[in-house]
Amino acid sequence: TQLLEQSPQFLSIQEGENLTVYCNSSSVFSSLQWYRQEPGEGPVLLVTVVTGGEVKKLKRLTFQFGDARKDSSLHITAAQPGDTGLYLCAGPRDSSYKLIFGSGTRLLVRP
Amino acid sequence: NAGVTQTPKFRILKIGQSMTLQCTQDMNHNYMYWYRQDPGMGLKLIYYSVGAGITDKGEVPNGYNVSRSTTEDFPLRLELAAPSQTSVYFCASSIPGAPQRYEQYFGPGTRLTVT
Repeated sequence: TQLLEQSPQFLSIQEGENLTVYCNSSSVFSSLQWYRQEPGEGPVLLVTVVTGGEVKKLKRLTFQFGDARKDSSLHITAAQPGDTGLYLCAGPRDSSYKLIFGSGTRLLVRP
Repeated sequence: NAGVTQTPKFRILKIGQSMTLQCTQDMNHNYMYWYRQDPGMGLKLIYYSVGAGITDKGEVPNGYNVSRSTTEDFPLRLELAAPSQTSVYFCASSIPGAPQRYEQYFGPGTRLTVT
């Protein structure tokens, strides 16, 4: 069974701090996606990583796909209150169009 | 484009009642999905559709039904509502892009409480 485990479950930090959240699996994924979900809204896609070892940057967010394509990380530099939300990783189930989601990391950035 | 729209935003049902959650997308996406999200959990796939007239079960289909008569609409039907169906429901759509890139676009969700 393919599973995605995210850590930490909850993170509360001060504005300006750096942080890293993780998405791990014992299974190989053909790609992984990261979504951000704000309270009362649906998830919004941030990035898709496809190649093992790939690093993608989105302003202050850096996404990395593990060499073995079993894990991914999201690093935020100088966090801002606008980064507050639930960060979800997702990957294709059995390389199909159906996604498996992790349970998410809930981030709170305090002003 | 409005993207993916869902109605209603909130609903309270009594045990045993039925209702339909509406989902519409205007992006001409072939693939559509229904998920539920319980507190502290990720998203669980209820049903999905790869095109008009074609639907299939996801991980947690019991207690739900779907239909797909048009590309745009993918309603989710709850029959005989139970407290275990209290959740937030999200509809999503996607289009097959490059391999492994089935990125999904989500609606704003319907918060359902069954009491």
